Amino acid sequence: SQTIHQWPATLVQPVGSPLSLECTVEGTSNPNLYWYRQAAGRGLQLLFYSVGIGQISSEVPQNLSASRPQDRQFILSSKKLLLSDSGFYLCAWRPPERTGELFFGEGSRLTVL
Amino acid sequence: AQSVAQPEDQVNVAEGNPLTVKCTYSVSGNPYLFWYVQYPNRGLQFLLKYITGDNLVKGSYGFEAEFNKSQTSFHLKKPSALVSDSALYFCAVRDAWVTGGGNKLTFGTGTQLKVEL
Repeated sequence: SQTIHQWPATLVQPVGSPLSLECTVEGTSNPNLYWYRQAAGRGLQLLFYSVGIGQISSEVPQNLSASRPQDRQFILSSKKLLLSDSGFYLCAWRPPERTGELFFGEGSRLTVL
Repeated sequence: AQSVAQPEDQVNVAEGNPLTVKCTYSVSGNPYLFWYVQYPNRGLQFLLKYITGDNLVKGSYGFEAEFNKSQTSFHLKKPSALVSDSALYFCAVRDAWVTGGGNKLTFGTGTQLKVEL
């Protein structure tokens, strides 16, 4: 069966420090991968998606970047965090077929102080 | 462009009573529709989806949803609510006619369901 792992689960970082959140998927190949941010426990904002290794699409201009160095690995990064980067970050994957649903990781709670 | 609306921020229901969480959508083509549930500080869990076929879709934990094309709605329902159903519920849509671009889902803003004894 397929599983998705996301870490770290919680992170407290000072303003101006770097960030790296990692997401890996097991039990599938060539998944579509997504990073979402959820602010204030409600709406989901799509940040990045990837349909293959090295292929990253950004949905909104921001202080963050994403990379996909391996088929089932998706990394969210920042060189210098801002206060506004605080939030709950969710990684998700979907099989390549278009009717497939998204499967989410357990999330990473980032607090920037 | 695709969009989805969840008109209620919160729904309150007594345990044992039926519940409905509303969702309406807008797409250019045919919709693929999804419901997810989120418990505090957890990821979203998939409940059910409508792709094609029977308008009544059954999902996990006794939930079901009814697709209504004329009203462009996909309301989530459960015949008898449990306190443990209290959570945040998200409706999502993807336009079946749109290809490429990661086949992104568009999510609603969520509805907080509170089931009380």
